[in-house]
Amino acid sequence: AQKVTQAQTEISVVEKEDVTLDCVYETRDTTYYLFWYKQPPSGELVFLIRRNSFDEQNEISGRYSWNFQKSTSSFNFTITASQVVDSAVYFCALSGPATDSWGKLQFGAGTQVVVTP
Amino acid sequence: DVKVTQSSRYLVKRTGEKVFLECVQDMDHENMFWYRQDPGLGLRLIYFSYDVKMKEKGDIPEGYSVSREKKERFSLILESASTNQTSMYLCASSSGTSGRGQDTQYFGPGTRLTVL
Repeated sequence: AQKVTQAQTEISVVEKEDVTLDCVYETRDTTYYLFWYKQPPSGELVFLIRRNSFDEQNEISGRYSWNFQKSTSSFNFTITASQVVDSAVYFCALSGPATDSWGKLQFGAGTQVVVTP
Repeated sequence: DVKVTQSSRYLVKRTGEKVFLECVQDMDHENMFWYRQDPGLGLRLIYFSYDVKMKEKGDIPEGYSVSREKKERFSLILESASTNQTSMYLCASSSGTSGRGQDTQYFGPGTRLTVL
């Protein structure tokens, strides 16, 4: 069965500190996709990144970076030099099983990030 | 840019009322989804649709139904609202052209529904 675990419920940091969000997933598929979304207080989920299971290269986009390790089934997300605007709930998601043709996603419970000045 | 809109940001209804939540996307996407979001549970899929008039149950369809008469519009219906349906409801769409799992889902702003 598909499962995504975000063990950290809430992380509080002071501005300019780095913060790493953990995401561990379970799947029996060899081909799958992983996603990160950000949900600011306004409520709308904003897409951040998609990664396929064949691409284990780490990715950096500005202050955001992602570390995908297939060996540990983890897809962790780091915000460098956090800012108050980074305060949001962050969700990790996994594409559906091989039997699913419709692109359903399995979401983790989310991690609330609170950045204080 | 993909634009997904939802008819209301906040909604307050009484127990037993019939409730309609509307979602519209402007990118000619094939797939549309309805989720509910509750603290500590993340997003759970209620229903999705892969074509006009086609629908499939998600993980928690009980107490809900859906309608998709036009490609751009996907409605979630609570036939008889109950207090345990108080939640945040999020609509999403994806292109449906890239094949299984690849398509990014784009979300609307959400509707926070309170059932009294």
